[in-house]
Amino acid sequence: GQQVMQIPQYQHVQEGEDFTTYCNSSTTLSNIQWYKQRPGGHPVFLIQLVKSGEVKKQKRLTFQFGEAKKNSSLHITATQTTDVGTYFCARPSGGSEKLVFGKGTKLTVNP
Amino acid sequence: NAGVTQTPKFQVLKTGQSMTLQCAQDMNHEYMSWYRQDPGMGLRLIHYSVGAGITDQGEVPNGYNVSRSTTEDFPLRLLSAAPSQTSVYFCASRSTGLAGELFFGEGSRLTVL
Repeated sequence: GQQVMQIPQYQHVQEGEDFTTYCNSSTTLSNIQWYKQRPGGHPVFLIQLVKSGEVKKQKRLTFQFGEAKKNSSLHITATQTTDVGTYFCARPSGGSEKLVFGKGTKLTVNP
Repeated sequence: NAGVTQTPKFQVLKTGQSMTLQCAQDMNHEYMSWYRQDPGMGLRLIHYSVGAGITDQGEVPNGYNVSRSTTEDFPLRLLSAAPSQTSVYFCASRSTGLAGELFFGEGSRLTVL
């Protein structure tokens, strides 16, 4: 299927360190979305990227969409314990409305 | 607004039993979907619907049935539960089109013994 490869699967950082997760696709994406799931919670939408080379910021979070629209990244500057959770990217699939998710990157932060 | 409401939150079944996970949304969203979440597997799409009377299969549809008789409701049926269906299930909805963020329910944790 038209999956997105998300790396790394796990990331453990010390509080204050930076963190980056990557999503890669073999095909061009019309758009990509990012979600955060806190432990024991449900996924919550963070952002959608649509344009080639797009960069969006939300406080300490920076989202990028590659020039070829085949990859995307989420970067967190100076992590805090509140950043703990699993970060997922999601893409439309098969030209339909359905969204398929990457396997996620689980972030743990040591205070 | 309640958003996306899933019931039950927890359920234990025996192998072979049937049950229905309920999902309702009050945002008038055309698109509704069911995902299952297993450790290390991320969120896998089971079935989805783009409107009343229209359903389609996702990545892992086997063992599950859905129907969409109204815009608001999208139940997920397990006709004969198997231990492999032990998982956390999420219902999600959104407006159709490129700009639609998914709104998730709080999840239903199902254990099949």
